Amino acid sequence: GQQLNQSPQSMFIQEGEDVSMNCTSSSIFNTWLWYKQDPGEGPVLLIALYKAGELTSNGRLTAQFGITRKDSFLNISASIPSDVGIYFCAGPLGGATNKLIFGTGTLLAVQP
Amino acid sequence: DTEVTQTPKHLVMGMTNKKSLKCEQHMGHRAMYWYKQKAKKPPELMFVYSYEKLSINESVPSRFSPECPNSSLLNLHLHALQPEDSALYLCASSLFFWGATNEKLFFGSGTQLSVL
Repeated sequence: GQQLNQSPQSMFIQEGEDVSMNCTSSSIFNTWLWYKQDPGEGPVLLIALYKAGELTSNGRLTAQFGITRKDSFLNISASIPSDVGIYFCAGPLGGATNKLIFGTGTLLAVQP
Repeated sequence: DTEVTQTPKHLVMGMTNKKSLKCEQHMGHRAMYWYKQKAKKPPELMFVYSYEKLSINESVPSRFSPECPNSSLLNLHLHALQPEDSALYLCASSLFFWGATNEKLFFGSGTQLSVL
């Protein structure tokens, strides 16, 4: 079935480094959501994107809606230890139910 | 209040037990959702309620029984579960049914369920 593929699968970086991750689909999406999940907690919405080419920031986080409508990108600048977690993209599947599906996730580990 | 509250935080149950998970939101959201998440995997949709009516059941086994008593509450009744049902169960809500309006989806902290 339809899947959102995230890359990289995991990242191990030093505190202060910038981070880039992406999410790709074989189909066109009209909305992209980015979530962060801490261990044992629910996903927390970071950024929502609704328009192709849109660039939206939330503090040190910046996300972009790809112009092909088949991808989205998330950047984190000057990473800190509390950025550790799993980052999921999500988008609507379309069709009759327009179900929201989640990407495969990117695990981020930050070394102090 | 922008929270979705789930109880209990952790639950251990035997395969013959009956238990319930509870979810509450006071944001005036009219759509509520149950998701199941296995470790290191993305959340998977189980049920959607819109205006207190079941809108989507993702072919979930009948040992999981959802209930929406009112617009603020969502329950998930569990009976005769299997060990493979052990997972993090997440409740979520949105202002209106996500499928129609692409609303932002807000999640609770989840219930970590272990079936022995």
